[in-house]
Amino acid sequence: NAGVTQTPKFRVLKTGQSMTLLCAQDMNHEYMYWYRQDPGMGLRLIHYSVGEGTTAKGEVPDGYNVSRLKKQNFLLGLESAAPSQTSVYFCASRAAGFEAFFGQGTRLTVV
Amino acid sequence: GDSVTQMEGPVTLSEEAFLTINCTYTATGYPSLFWYVQYPGEGLQLLLKATKADDKGSNKGFEATYRKETTSFHLEKGSVQVSDSAVYFCALSDRSGAGSYQLTFGKGTKLSVIP
Repeated sequence: NAGVTQTPKFRVLKTGQSMTLLCAQDMNHEYMYWYRQDPGMGLRLIHYSVGEGTTAKGEVPDGYNVSRLKKQNFLLGLESAAPSQTSVYFCASRAAGFEAFFGQGTRLTVV
Repeated sequence: GDSVTQMEGPVTLSEEAFLTINCTYTATGYPSLFWYVQYPGEGLQLLLKATKADDKGSNKGFEATYRKETTSFHLEKGSVQVSDSAVYFCALSDRSGAGSYQLTFGKGTKLSVIP
């Protein structure tokens, strides 16, 4: 049972480039989330989804887009990367009322 | 909106010392409370949780009690080990689904335990 899998684990982008981070979960969870973790800031919610085909903005959504075309996958896109998006990105999923499970993270550097 | 405040680190303790990491929260509803742990280079793992007032969550020697009157959920361990070195996050989540069960995190407390 893989749980929550994020790809890639590391990436270096040049300013202005685009990329997509993939999150896949095999627990049939309805709820999925994308967070970013920055030193001294804790985890901040970027976007989330309450089910297949739905997405919503979190605390820090600017510069990101998401899609949830399949229940098990939640994609985070950066259309034009900026140095301020250098961060560690975590995906999480959960069933209603139960604990959240996190992926291993994606370390993104924008130069 | 909801928020979580936890003591900032880093915290450095000797092995077998007593650990307390303070956590207080502000919430519009009646949240569930969590402690997550992040070991170096890894994602977050649930350490313990409590879903109603006066509940005590416990795991691996760690404990925290949901105190509604003081809006607190302090993490304690009687005797820390080197293997407990990690970053600890206090978090809350709404229970009704109105907030989509999203977790609101504190900023994290880095614990280092020295032999």
